[in-house]
Amino acid sequence: LAKTTQPISMDSYEGQEVNITCSHNNIATNDYITWYQQFPSQGPRFIIQGYKTKVTNEVASLFIPADRKSSTLSLPRVSLSDTAVYYCLVGYSGGGADGLTFGKGTHLIIQP
Amino acid sequence: GAVVSQHPSWVICKSGTSVKIECRSLDFQATTMFWYRQFPKQSLMLMATSNEGSKATYEQGVEKDKFLINHASLTLSTLTVTSAHPEDSSFYICSARDFGGTEAFFGQGTRLTVV
Repeated sequence: LAKTTQPISMDSYEGQEVNITCSHNNIATNDYITWYQQFPSQGPRFIIQGYKTKVTNEVASLFIPADRKSSTLSLPRVSLSDTAVYYCLVGYSGGGADGLTFGKGTHLIIQP
Repeated sequence: GAVVSQHPSWVICKSGTSVKIECRSLDFQATTMFWYRQFPKQSLMLMATSNEGSKATYEQGVEKDKFLINHASLTLSTLTVTSAHPEDSSFYICSARDFGGTEAFFGQGTRLTVV
């Protein structure tokens, strides 16, 4: 499974757009890129998943360059409740039964 | 999205006793479920892969005789921590994936405290 690298922590303020970048140089051809959010004492919650280019849903956007060696999670107009740990994961080549390998994640802190 | 439910959400047990944690996929069938452990301020660590109708596969360093996994149906996997010790105190999380899907769904986690 491809290893991921992301910043350990980030700070921002309410109402700002936050971009968290993840590096995954060894991504395989069939790998998807998935981002999860985790609050203390809760299981990870799915945010968004993509394979290439740009994906947008009601909570975030995911930008993936053509070489797919990195990806950027974009959270528009964050609020205090977005303070959490965000994990970037690579894998799950559709149909596989591999468990996800979590990196250290990015601890995002939103201030008023 | 699909729902994965864990029970109990938290449990306190005495050292030397065994504790069972259930993981259910509520609206889909999961031939494979995964068990993770998370210590404070650390990331999730995959412990084992639970396969319906067959033996679980464990990650290196995880004792299979201590962490018993049973996946008897397509919607239920259980993790039993046997002869629990204080060092087993942790946050245990399960996940499951709908067959052929690429998205994993996680349970809410179980906080185990061994006293």
